[in-house]
Amino acid sequence: AQTVTQSQPEMSVQEAETVTLSCTYDTSESDYYLFWYKQPPSRQMILVIRQEAYKQQNATENRFSVNFQKAAKSFSLKISDSQLGDAAMYFCAYAPSGTYKYIFGTGTRLKVLA
Amino acid sequence: EAEVAQSPRYKITEKSQAVAFWCDPISGHATLYWYRQILGQGPELLVQFQDESVVDDSQLPKDRFSAERLKGVDSTLKIQPAELGDSAMYLCASSLALEGIGEQYFGPGTRLTVT
Repeated sequence: AQTVTQSQPEMSVQEAETVTLSCTYDTSESDYYLFWYKQPPSRQMILVIRQEAYKQQNATENRFSVNFQKAAKSFSLKISDSQLGDAAMYFCAYAPSGTYKYIFGTGTRLKVLA
Repeated sequence: EAEVAQSPRYKITEKSQAVAFWCDPISGHATLYWYRQILGQGPELLVQFQDESVVDDSQLPKDRFSAERLKGVDSTLKIQPAELGDSAMYLCASSLALEGIGEQYFGPGTRLTVT
């Protein structure tokens, strides 16, 4: 069965510092997509960054970047220059190619300290 | 910017009552998803529509849950009768298509409390 594991229930980071959130997944598929979604308190979930498994280059979006290790089935999110607005639940999600049946991890709550 | 709309935002109901949630996806989005998110967990897919057709409802408890998207636009998720274990956030999401890099756009959710 395909699973997504986020082993850090909660993380804290000082404003302007860098933090890395971990995600591992299990699949026998070779073609799939990985996503990080952000869910701020009482607001809708929004896409932070996505990675196509066939691409070796790690995705980046402004202050957000990923470290995608396909062989290790690891997909971590790095947030640089953390801001107060980054405080939220972060979910890692996996979807096999050809279907958008997302499988989500249990989430990591990120606290940003002023 | 276009958003997925959901109503109501909050719903409190008694056990054994019927409850319904509504979702209006982003205009032009053919694929619509309903998720259940239990507190402290990630969302779990309940049902996926492509236009008006169900693509996947393997995780939908069909004895009490039903979902429809009659004209391929907005959608309703119903629970009858509600049970205490149904207390959760119900999220709706939509995407342009089933194939391709289908980013899902989420609504604000409906928080259901069953007493």
